[in-house]
Amino acid sequence: KQEVTQIPAALSVPEGENLVLNCSFTDSAIYNLQWFRQDPGKGLTSLLLIQSSQREQTSGRLNASLDKSSGRSTLYIAASQPGDSATYLCAVRPTGSGNTGKLIFGQGTTLQVKP
Amino acid sequence: NAGVMQNPRHLVRRRGQEARLRCSPMKGHSHVYWYRQLPEEGLKFMVYLQKENIIDESGMPKERFSAEFPKEGPSILRIQQVVRGDSAAYFCASSWTAQDYGYTFGSGTRLTVV
Repeated sequence: KQEVTQIPAALSVPEGENLVLNCSFTDSAIYNLQWFRQDPGKGLTSLLLIQSSQREQTSGRLNASLDKSSGRSTLYIAASQPGDSATYLCAVRPTGSGNTGKLIFGQGTTLQVKP
Repeated sequence: NAGVMQNPRHLVRRRGQEARLRCSPMKGHSHVYWYRQLPEEGLKFMVYLQKENIIDESGMPKERFSAEFPKEGPSILRIQQVVRGDSAAYFCASSWTAQDYGYTFGSGTRLTVV
């Protein structure tokens, strides 16, 4: 059974710091891994999608890596800003029979960037 | 392209009433997924539908919950005889295919049962 774990659960950093959020998954049989951002009381915004054949994806100050064999992904945020404060969710899309494309989510990392 | 549209954004129901949540997928998307986010918990898969078909309902409670995605119109998640434990945020997502593409999520419906 696929399980997704995110560490740390919460993180508080001063503005301008570079930071890394971690995601691990127990089964390497995945189609892709997706990072989302969720603001309080709001929906999910997709940040980066990494296909299983890819190693990393970049968008602006965000860089996500994927090591499928070890079951790990990291989200790197450069030069953090107060506007980056949110909960960051990692989700994998398992392959295999019986897996119909649903996502398995981690519990999220709640980030606070202090001015 | 208006994205994934969910309505209502907030819904208050008394115990025992019915709740109907609507989701219109992105234009061209034929795969719809419903997820539930209970307070202080992560998102959990409920049901996956294609037009007129339920493909996977393994995450949906066996009683009181049902979902549909008719040929015309939005997908509907229906909760009958709501209880306080049903209070949660319900999110809908859509995608191009079941495998290769990422999801686009709606803003969610926050159900409060009083």
